[in-house]
Amino acid sequence: AQTVTQSQPEMSVQEAETVTLSCTYDTSESNYYLFWYKQPPSRQMILVIRQEAYKQQNATENRFSVNFQKAAKSFSLKISDSQLGDTAMYFCASAQPGGGADGLTFGKGTHLIIQP
Amino acid sequence: EAQVTQNPRYLITVTGKKLTVTCSQNMNHEYMSWYRQDPGLGLRQIYYSMNVEVTDKGDVPEGYKVSRKEKRNFPLILESPSPNQTSLYFCASSRTGFEQYFGPGTRLTVT
Repeated sequence: AQTVTQSQPEMSVQEAETVTLSCTYDTSESNYYLFWYKQPPSRQMILVIRQEAYKQQNATENRFSVNFQKAAKSFSLKISDSQLGDTAMYFCASAQPGGGADGLTFGKGTHLIIQP
Repeated sequence: EAQVTQNPRYLITVTGKKLTVTCSQNMNHEYMSWYRQDPGLGLRQIYYSMNVEVTDKGDVPEGYKVSRKEKRNFPLILESPSPNQTSLYFCASSRTGFEQYFGPGTRLTVT
C-alpha cells in the first residue's frame, strides 16, 4: 500500500515570495507517478504538475516546479512569484500502475495562504 | 470540452432516504473512481471501476454502492444514508489509472 505524508497543515507567505510545500511518500513499486493537485475555494480539484518516477528531470509548469528526490521518497512543490490566486489547498498524491484501490493515494493537504 | 460532470452539486437529505449521485465523463476513459473528502483527512477512495461491469472497493466502501453499466457513467448509490456520510464527494476518470480528472464535486449533507 502507498502512503503520502504532508507535514505542513498550513503555510502563509507574502505575495511574490517563493514557497515550498513538502511531501513524502512510501511505495514498494518501482513504476509510479506523483502529482500535486490544487483545490481553490471553488473546491474543484486542479492538476498542477505531474512527475514520472522513471524520469530524473524535475517537472516544471510555469511558476510551479518540483524537487523529486527518489531515494529519499520526497516530492516537494515550489511556487515562484506567488500570486493571490495561488491561495488554495494543495494535495500531494501518488499513483501506481493499474489504478484501483492503490491507484491514487492522497496526502491530507496543505492550506496555502498568499497574503497581499 | 473534455469533462467529468456530477449531479447534483448540492444535496441535503435525511437519514435512510436512498439517493444516487450521478457521474459522467466524455473522454472515453476506462478508469473511474469515487472519492470522499473530509476535513483533515484528504481524499479517500470509495470505489473504483477499471471497465464496464468491473468494479471494486476502495479504502472506505462501507455504506456505498456503485455500478458501471456504460463506459461513460459511474453512479454512486447510498441505499440508507447516515450522518457520517456527510461529506464532499468527487468522481474522477482516467485513461491509464494514473492521472485522474475530477468532477466539480457534490456536497452532501445527511441530517
